[in-house]
Amino acid sequence: SAVISQKPSRDICQRGTSLTIQCQVDSQVTMMFWYRQQPGQSLTLIATANQGSEATYESGFVIDKFPISRPNLTFSTLTVSNMSPEDSSIYLCSVEDRLGSPLHFGNGTRLTVT
Amino acid sequence: GENVEQHPSTLSVQEGDSAVIKCTYSDSASNYFPWYKQELGKGPQLIIDIRSNVGEKKDQRIAVTLNKTAKHFSLHITETQPEDSAVYFCAAINAGGTSYGKLTFGQGTILTVHP
Repeated sequence: SAVISQKPSRDICQRGTSLTIQCQVDSQVTMMFWYRQQPGQSLTLIATANQGSEATYESGFVIDKFPISRPNLTFSTLTVSNMSPEDSSIYLCSVEDRLGSPLHFGNGTRLTVT
Repeated sequence: GENVEQHPSTLSVQEGDSAVIKCTYSDSASNYFPWYKQELGKGPQLIIDIRSNVGEKKDQRIAVTLNKTAKHFSLHITETQPEDSAVYFCAAINAGGTSYGKLTFGQGTILTVHP
């Protein structure tokens, strides 16, 4: 399966600022997704990153707060905008190599907002 | 939408014992059920999955069973080892023959294996 690299692995940010998280895959993949894992909680899908077009957001998540880019088949970014302490979470990039293949996750970005 | 309930939230076993984690789902059309293991500081790692046309799947010490009628599936770990200690998540999706990426996850089970 594809190897997924996320940067940064962790960060501490001030409220009101924005952070862009990068996800790089070592091979071309069909689908890329962004998930959020709040402290001690389960995983929730934020959006599907669509190559060359706007991301598809799940209920409760909006583009202004979580802008996503996917310029090609191996790279995506997630920005957490105008952060508040409630945004403190692990943000996980995940990929589906081919349609119908299992979902694999990167190691995540651990974000703390103070 | 889909709702997945996972039990227990914590599970403590002695090394060598078996561990069982159970999940129930709400959407009878769900057709793909993966299990992930998450170690501290790492992302979830797929350990086994099962599709709705199969009742049981086994991979060495790990097995998953699916009961479509009752809408529940379970993870079985035999001969547990301390390195099995982690958080385990079940998930489900009605993929409709397309992407399996938009998963609904259970709440997680913290498994501790005591030497």
